[in-house]
Amino acid sequence: EIVMTQSPATLSVSPGERATLSCRARQSVNNNLAWYQQKPGQAPRLLIYGASTRATGIAARFSGSGSGTEFTLTISSLQSEDFAVYYCQQYNNWPTTFGGGTKVETK
Amino acid sequence: QVQLVESGGGLVKPGGSLSLSCAASGFTFSAYYMSWIRQAPGKGLEWVSYISSGSTYTNYADSVKGRFIISRDNAKNSLFLQMNSLRAEDSTVYYCARLIGGGHDAFDIWGQGTMVTVSS
Repeated sequence: EIVMTQSPATLSVSPGERATLSCRARQSVNNNLAWYQQKPGQAPRLLIYGASTRATGIAARFSGSGSGTEFTLTISSLQSEDFAVYYCQQYNNWPTTFGGGTKVETK
Repeated sequence: QVQLVESGGGLVKPGGSLSLSCAASGFTFSAYYMSWIRQAPGKGLEWVSYISSGSTYTNYADSVKGRFIISRDNAKNSLFLQMNSLRAEDSTVYYCARLIGGGHDAFDIWGQGTMVTVSS
């Protein structure tokens, strides 16, 4: 199975600042990469699929980029509601696999 | 609105069985692949199984293959997971989720989750 590695494990950011999260695949997943946001006690919410396509209703401050093995989720200006854990998922090969997550916390 | 609601979680002894259900509403359930994904408290996400829209295709994670069975009833807009030979490591929150489709196997709709605890 394809191992997904996210970095950093924790990112401390002030509201209004830019946050950049990374996700690396051990082998190419083309652009078959999704990003999710999860808040405590809630289910994950799809943010990005196809590496760069925002899901329905997702704010424009969330953007995804990358292809192959290196991917980035950027939150252009962090809002209070954006502090959460973010996961990447590859779906190029089954079993689909998730990264270990990046926690975005208040600096 | 578009919604998935899981039920059936609970406490079960090692080696026991449990059946989870997921009720779908607000969309054409029969048109979508569906999946189960689990998450241990404070841990990451692990895909468990998927089933095609017409039940023709199923797939399982190695960790549950031969023990879990996924099924669906499109007439009742329901997804199921029969879990047998349960182990302590199966103790997690189980989510049902919809695959977005269109060539993308991302999960765009999730239920709220149901907790399964395997303990003697």
